[in-house]
Amino acid sequence: DTAVSQTPKYLVTQMGNDKSIKCEQNLGHDTMYWYKQDSKKFLKIMFSYNNKELIINETVPNRFSPKSPDKAHLNLHINSLELGDSAVYFCASSHPLPGAAYEQYFGPGTRLTVT
Amino acid sequence: LAKTTQPISMDSYEGQEVNITCSHNNIATNDYITWYQQFPSQGPRFIIQGYKTKVTNEVASLFIPADRKSSTLSLPRVSLSDTAVYYCLVGDMRDDKIIFGKGTRLHILP
Repeated sequence: DTAVSQTPKYLVTQMGNDKSIKCEQNLGHDTMYWYKQDSKKFLKIMFSYNNKELIINETVPNRFSPKSPDKAHLNLHINSLELGDSAVYFCASSHPLPGAAYEQYFGPGTRLTVT
Repeated sequence: LAKTTQPISMDSYEGQEVNITCSHNNIATNDYITWYQQFPSQGPRFIIQGYKTKVTNEVASLFIPADRKSSTLSLPRVSLSDTAVYYCLVGDMRDDKIIFGKGTRLHILP
């Protein structure tokens, strides 16, 4: 009965490839996020989506693009993968209410390795 | 967002009470204090949130002094499974995003 799920859990690919990571939440939340956690374990927000509207877009390369087919899904597409993209990517969700951004539910993460 | 300072790491033993203190000297009036827990190879998990004095739930207690310039996460009678990284976050509830710092790596020993 997973609340926030991500696929795949592991992704190994070569430089220059295009890949996608999928995220689904069954919590009925309206806001979803993507985070990147690098090798030093710093967790940084990349995107935030609310009802299919992008509300936060941190300074990430435009090779990264979030796609939300519906409010329960927020997929992350990455074009022309680079070595520096290797990291663990987490999806999260929360209610859109004021303050709810501080109570986020995270997925299990996708470990991306670019060779 | 208010900057937070936490110890990089802590060790403790099973059965002990563990207190992790977070400093946030420039906390603003509208800021709340939130703690997350992250186990290895998992996403962070919300533990507790508070504004002042004391908050307690089934997992932990959060102590916040009157000046709110620091806060202490208290974990009662820890077990090996409490080994994780604990993040202290401070920010305005009206913010659309939260910022994770470096966290405190807690290692529980048998």
